[in-house]
Amino acid sequence: ILNVEQSPQSLHVQEGDSTNFTCSFPSSNFYALHWYRWETAKSPEALFVMTLNGDEKKKGRISATLNTKEGYSYLYIKGSQPEDSATYLCASAGSGNTGKLIFGQGTTLQVKP
Amino acid sequence: EPEVTQTPSHQVTQMGQEVILRCVPISNHLYFYWYRQILGQKVEFLVSFYNNEISEKSEIFDDQFSVERPDGSNFTLKIRSTKLEDSAMYFCASTRGGPSYNEQFFGPGTRLTVL
Repeated sequence: ILNVEQSPQSLHVQEGDSTNFTCSFPSSNFYALHWYRWETAKSPEALFVMTLNGDEKKKGRISATLNTKEGYSYLYIKGSQPEDSATYLCASAGSGNTGKLIFGQGTTLQVKP
Repeated sequence: EPEVTQTPSHQVTQMGQEVILRCVPISNHLYFYWYRQILGQKVEFLVSFYNNEISEKSEIFDDQFSVERPDGSNFTLKIRSTKLEDSAMYFCASTRGGPSYNEQFFGPGTRLTVL
C-alpha cells in the first residue's frame, strides 16, 4: 500500500524566515513526485513534478529536492512572505502511469507579517 | 489562462438521492481525474479516465460511482445513491499527457453535503 506522509502538519513563521518541510513516500515502484500549493477557497496549483533522483527544482523563492532511493523530498521557501501562506501538498504518482496521485496530508504554512 | 471549472460549487442532497458533479477540463487535455477530500482527511484518488474509458479506479469507486465524458467537453461524476459518508469536497483534474509525469490542473471543487 502506497503511503505518503508529510511533516510538520502545520508551521507558523515570521515574514522573512526561511522554512522547509518534508514529504516521505515509498521508494519502490517510484514514478514521480508532485508538489502542489493550495490556498483557501482556490484550486490546488502545481509547483513541481520531479522524477529523477537528486533532482532539484526552483520557482522563485521556492525550491524542492528529491531522493528516490530513500523516499523523501524537501520543499524549501526562502524569505517567506504572507502570500506564501497556504497548504502545501505532496503526492506520489502510483505505478502504472495512469496519473493516479497518492497525497500526503499536507503542511499548512502561516506566515505572519 | 485556461482553467478547470466545476459546477455546482456546493451541492446538498438527501441520503439515497443521485447526484451528478460536473467538470469542464482544459480543452486540449486528454487525461481526467476525480479526487475527493473528506473533512480532516487526505485528498484521495477516485478514478482516472483516458480515451473514453476508466484507466484506474480506487476501492472507493464502487458500483455507486460512474464517470462519463458525454460530449467531448464535460466530465461528470455520478453517485447513484448517496450515503452520509460521501460528504466531501470533490475535485476534478486534467492533464495533457504522460499522466504521471505532468502536472495535473485542478478545479476549485464541489462541496457535497449528504443529509
